[in-house]
Amino acid sequence: AQKVTQAQTEISVVEKEDVTLDCVYETRDTTYYLFWYKQPPSGELVFLIRRNSFDEQNEISGRYSWNFQKSTSSFNFTITASQVVDSAVYFCALSEADQGAQKLVFGQGTRLTINP
Amino acid sequence: DSGVTQTPKHLITATGQRVTLRCSPRSGDLSVYWYQQSLDQGLQFLIQYYNGEERAKGNILERFSAQQFPDLHSELNLSSLELGDSALYFCASSVGASGTGEQYFGPGTRLTVT
Repeated sequence: AQKVTQAQTEISVVEKEDVTLDCVYETRDTTYYLFWYKQPPSGELVFLIRRNSFDEQNEISGRYSWNFQKSTSSFNFTITASQVVDSAVYFCALSEADQGAQKLVFGQGTRLTINP
Repeated sequence: DSGVTQTPKHLITATGQRVTLRCSPRSGDLSVYWYQQSLDQGLQFLIQYYNGEERAKGNILERFSAQQFPDLHSELNLSSLELGDSALYFCASSVGASGTGEQYFGPGTRLTVT
């Protein structure tokens, strides 16, 4: 069965610090997809990134970067020079490569607070 | 704004009642998904429809049902409501049916059962 673990329940840092959110997953499939979503205080879920299991290249988008390591089944998310607007709950999710259906399995989320 | 709309935004009802939550997917998206977010269970997948056909089922209770209409909007029906059904219900949509694509989420409907 698939499982996503985000061991960090809450993280609090001061603005401009770098912060890394951990995500560890379990799946028996060789082909799968990993996602990160952001849930700001307003409540909606915002898509951040998708990564397939065959692409282990790290990705950078502005202050955001993602480190995918199949050897450790991890897909960690780093925010560089954090800002107050980054305060949100962040979810890591996993789906298997089923051609006919998709079930996203989410981790429990990490609540990130950036203090001014 | 993801392009996915959900109504109503908030719903307060009593135990034993039945409610219907509505979702309109992004233009061009054929798949609709329903999720429940609660403090104790986290974010849980309920059900997926693709072009009117049920494609995947998660931890959806028998008291809950969903359907997707020809215009692709979807409704989630919750009946015989219990206090534990109080949660944020999200609808999401994607272009295809498979596990490869990202899902775009609506703003959610907050259900409070009293």
